[in-house]
Amino acid sequence: DGGITQSPKYLFRKEGQNVTLSCEQNLNHDAMYWYRQDPGQGLRLIYYSQIVNDFQKGDIAEGYSVSREKKESFPLTVTSAQKNPTAFYLCASSSRYEQYFGPGTRLTVT
Amino acid sequence: AQSVTQLDSQVPVFEEAPVELRCNYSSSVSVYLFWYVQYPNQGLQLLLKYLSGSTLVKGINGFEAEFNKSQTSFHLRKPSVHISDTAEYFCAVSDRLGIYNQGGKLIFGQGTELSVKP
Repeated sequence: DGGITQSPKYLFRKEGQNVTLSCEQNLNHDAMYWYRQDPGQGLRLIYYSQIVNDFQKGDIAEGYSVSREKKESFPLTVTSAQKNPTAFYLCASSSRYEQYFGPGTRLTVT
Repeated sequence: AQSVTQLDSQVPVFEEAPVELRCNYSSSVSVYLFWYVQYPNQGLQLLLKYLSGSTLVKGINGFEAEFNKSQTSFHLRKPSVHISDTAEYFCAVSDRLGIYNQGGKLIFGQGTELSVKP
């Protein structure tokens, strides 16, 4: 089955700790994206990558970092510099026309 | 710059009634348009898309949408809703140039929460 996997589904961390969210796709898509979703705010783009070893900041990149060493993988690190990291994080990959989404990771930082 | 406005944040409706979820966009270039659905604690699933051709687009689960270029709208409709249609719906736009760059960025609306009551 082709698709996008994100792990874990739920993640809990203490304030001040960095945490890495996993995103893997087997759709052979070049482009991958990370979004943050908060209630009532829709989806906001954090980072995106159109090709291996290259990525660009989205609208809310501060406090986040990414890498794209393999076509299939686009992990997101939420650093301690992110002031309000508790949110639902969605990974997506793109064909030429539309984006396909993973199931999401809900991160809670206390 | 592009933007998307979903005109209703919440739409309550009774089962078997028709529904319309409204979406307006702003763009200085030609666009592609999408509707996604999100069930609680899940990712987004593509309902339908407008790329070119017929302005009436049919999607999954009995939904359809009409692209109106003069009104810059892309409203989503279903003639008879079910309880299982209760979810959040997102309208999104991508510019055609961005698409040619191997996957354009999508700009999303704020979402419309559809609540279907028995």
